[in-house]
Amino acid sequence: AQSVTQPDIHITVSEGASLELRCNYSYGATPYLFWYVQSPGQGLQLLLKYFSGDTLVQGIKGFEAEFKRSQSSFNLRKPSVHWSDAAEYFCAVGAHNNDMRFGAGTRLTVKP
Amino acid sequence: SQTIHQWPATLVQPVGSPLSLECTVEGTSNPNLYWYRQAAGRGLQLLFYSVGIGQISSEVPQNLSASRPQDRQFILSSKKLLLSDSGFYLCAWSVGAGLTDTQYFGPGTRLTVL
Repeated sequence: AQSVTQPDIHITVSEGASLELRCNYSYGATPYLFWYVQSPGQGLQLLLKYFSGDTLVQGIKGFEAEFKRSQSSFNLRKPSVHWSDAAEYFCAVGAHNNDMRFGAGTRLTVKP
Repeated sequence: SQTIHQWPATLVQPVGSPLSLECTVEGTSNPNLYWYRQAAGRGLQLLFYSVGIGQISSEVPQNLSASRPQDRQFILSSKKLLLSDSGFYLCAWSVGAGLTDTQYFGPGTRLTVL
């Protein structure tokens, strides 16, 4: 079965600084890749997804992610973080049998 | 447009009591439905998923069960809650036989077992 690792449990960045959240996956074929965001006490919202094609994917709220097959990675980036971006971020990998696995999440704190 | 509802939003139950959490989806037909649990400080764990009425697949052995009595209704149950059942329970839906579609999540139920 596929698996996904988010190496960073907690990241703190200053408002206006750039952000990169790491995601590594394990899967034998080309996976479906997702990034979700969860605000405190809320459900998850999709930021972006990769299925095929251009390896640089643009999402909502100014986020983007790049699929790198050679590194088995799908890192999430944002050039300038806003205080409202403070949340928990989950990377997920989907297999072709309709199975989805989520990472443990990375909690983002934004300093003023 | 499609919407997903979960209730209750919060629940405090004693150990050994039964549980019933409900999830309903509006605005779509024959969705795939999912129950996840998110324990404090941990990621999401897929508990059950369903591709149709009466069709339930369990991902992990536990004292929880799921049922899908109607096309857009998914219920998570337990006969006797354990302390370890505390967590944030999320229901989600998707459309299609594969993962070319996104999973859409409900607002969640915060369960505390005392």
